[in-house]
Amino acid sequence: SVLTQPPSASGTPGQRVSITCSGSSSNIGVNHVYWYQQLPGTAPKLLIYVNDQRPSGVPDRFSGSKSGTSASLAISGLQSEDEADYYCAAWDDKLYAVLFGGGTKLTVL
Amino acid sequence: EVQLVESGGGLVQPGRSLRLSCAASGFISSTYWMTWVRQAPGKGLEWVANIRQDGRELYYVDSVKGRFTISRDDGKNSLYLQMNSLTVEDTAVYYCARAQDYGAHFDYWGQGILVTVSS
Repeated sequence: SVLTQPPSASGTPGQRVSITCSGSSSNIGVNHVYWYQQLPGTAPKLLIYVNDQRPSGVPDRFSGSKSGTSASLAISGLQSEDEADYYCAAWDDKLYAVLFGGGTKLTVL
Repeated sequence: EVQLVESGGGLVQPGRSLRLSCAASGFISSTYWMTWVRQAPGKGLEWVANIRQDGRELYYVDSVKGRFTISRDDGKNSLYLQMNSLTVEDTAVYYCARAQDYGAHFDYWGQGILVTVSS
């Protein structure tokens, strides 16, 4: 994937974990970043939009940030129900395409 | 309540065609971009195509250009994906989603429909 995420992350209940998403000057560097959560066996769900905004209903334990050509998703107060796959996404101005990161599988130990 | 329901999936032989549909309800589909995203078994998400509200601006991932066609019929609140010359690499769950713009902002998703390309 042109957007690079770590394949896995883990933490214990109550911990804070962070997932990074690295891109380039044609995608994250100039466009907004979005984060999606996909629980096992379900459709993806919008978690963060426009870099750091939470849709209604998403707990404030989830936060997003962007700096230069990278973005991060942070989850504080980790809960067992946060165990899921997380994807970053952004538009790429050179490819004229939406890019997804490869996904990060979060395990709550 | 916003709902997106895909249909038309199934088993198809390589080289054949299939048309997916997505029925939208709970919102005025003509005022939104719409998109298709797919997920191969055990793999990550891959964006497939976007279509503007008036249907005149379309974008596709390189791997489907010339084979897939995204279209919409807002009178029927429906989105379509015509898939021709299918290959085994097109095997995936296909999701339709509502998009806020031409970018990566997909705020509502369907439950997905499985397309299996196999001989």
